[in-house]
Amino acid sequence: KAGVTQTPRYLIKTRGQQVTLSCSPISGHRSVSWYQQTPGQGLQFLFEYFSETQRNKGNFPGRFSGRQFSNSRFEMNVSTLELGDSALYLCASSWGTRPDEQYFGPGTRLTVT
Amino acid sequence: AQSVTQLDSHVSVSEGTPVLLRCNYSSSYSPSLFWYVQHPNKGLQLLLKYTSAATLVKGINGFEAEFKKSETSFHLTKPSAHMSDAAEYFCVVIPLYNQGGKLIFGQGTELSVKP
Repeated sequence: KAGVTQTPRYLIKTRGQQVTLSCSPISGHRSVSWYQQTPGQGLQFLFEYFSETQRNKGNFPGRFSGRQFSNSRFEMNVSTLELGDSALYLCASSWGTRPDEQYFGPGTRLTVT
Repeated sequence: AQSVTQLDSHVSVSEGTPVLLRCNYSSSYSPSLFWYVQHPNKGLQLLLKYTSAATLVKGINGFEAEFKKSETSFHLTKPSAHMSDAAEYFCVVIPLYNQGGKLIFGQGTELSVKP
């Protein structure tokens, strides 16, 4: 079956703008998690949604928000972009009834100038 | 707090020689541990996972890892490296009292394979 898909794959934005990243999980998976990957900080957990409700949240400011739709598709919004938001954003999905391995998408590369 | 430490940021081997990527974990309980691999410009792929069923875990592409509680280690090995193994490898733990969805990653080990 199809894997996790993320769109767009690459984005260039200007500081102060906002951006929306999309993720479609594997069919049947109800949990969607997001991670930010940077050379300096490595992979850091942003948040996780399960059945449209935020279930877990990392140490990121409120500028990072998410919304999960009834078909499990997910959109992450980042407002008032900062240069430090430049990163690879990875979406992962899992069945979600218990913590287990996650299946990752290819990521969206965001560059903030 | 649970954490994982990858002892080498970069490992270089020759094709056909063994691979050893080291990971130590910190946990007061028996954790769930994973190894993921990331090829350039690709997402993360699960190599293998340990969930206390067996201490020696076999994964994809000939990789395996052994859980050693006495050493708090979960090292990744492969008998013979292939050029296609060149990638970044992450040791990962699920934290205690995880309400779901949160994985804690090590800093990664970049594996280079020389012909």
